[in-house]
Amino acid sequence: GAGVSQSPSNKVTEKGKDVELRCDPISGHTALYWYRQSLGQGLEFLIYFQGNSAPDKSGLPSDRFSAERTGGSVSTLTIQRTQQEDSAVYLCASSLESGRKPQHFGDGTRLSIL
Amino acid sequence: DQQVKQNSPSLSVQEGRISILNCDYTNSMFDYFLWYKKYPAEGPTFLISISSIKDKNEDGRFTVFLNKSAKHLSLHIVPSQPGDSAVYFCAARGATNKLIFGTGTLLAVQP
Repeated sequence: GAGVSQSPSNKVTEKGKDVELRCDPISGHTALYWYRQSLGQGLEFLIYFQGNSAPDKSGLPSDRFSAERTGGSVSTLTIQRTQQEDSAVYLCASSLESGRKPQHFGDGTRLSIL
Repeated sequence: DQQVKQNSPSLSVQEGRISILNCDYTNSMFDYFLWYKKYPAEGPTFLISISSIKDKNEDGRFTVFLNKSAKHLSLHIVPSQPGDSAVYFCAARGATNKLIFGTGTLLAVQP
């Protein structure tokens, strides 16, 4: 499809394990964003990529969270030593460029930490 | 501090009538605003946006109004349809292009 693709759609893991979430942005979109939505909360910004660099990592909750983007396309969000409070829907968005352009979202990865 | 606020958690409207969803913001530096619609288990879908240099933008049944002096924007849906039932989020573009979202309004359009 032509939209933002995220995998897996669902992930259940035990506390303390590492998880890796993947995002394939819309082809040609140079800007990529990660957000998360915890139960009963709004969407919370995590990190922004322009190309392969991340000008804004201010939303990453702790040093257990990291993200990278390679080839100006696919991005992975890694959470190390997961905790129960990491349970949330992790959403990826991309836009044609930075600036006043709409961000288009994938359907998210629902992460559940047991 | 919540920079983007949607004070109505829910709204119920009859089919064919107008739906008006409201959003307030606190940061006068925001320069671009967006509305998204979200169904359960799906990602937010972009609906309409407005730049801070405009006060109105229209796209089919959807119109967004921006009142910068009041730091208020609204989304009008006319006529409302049952398929419009969803959670609606307003968002503002902050520094480094991140979007700051309101907490959402659940719209129910009654047939």
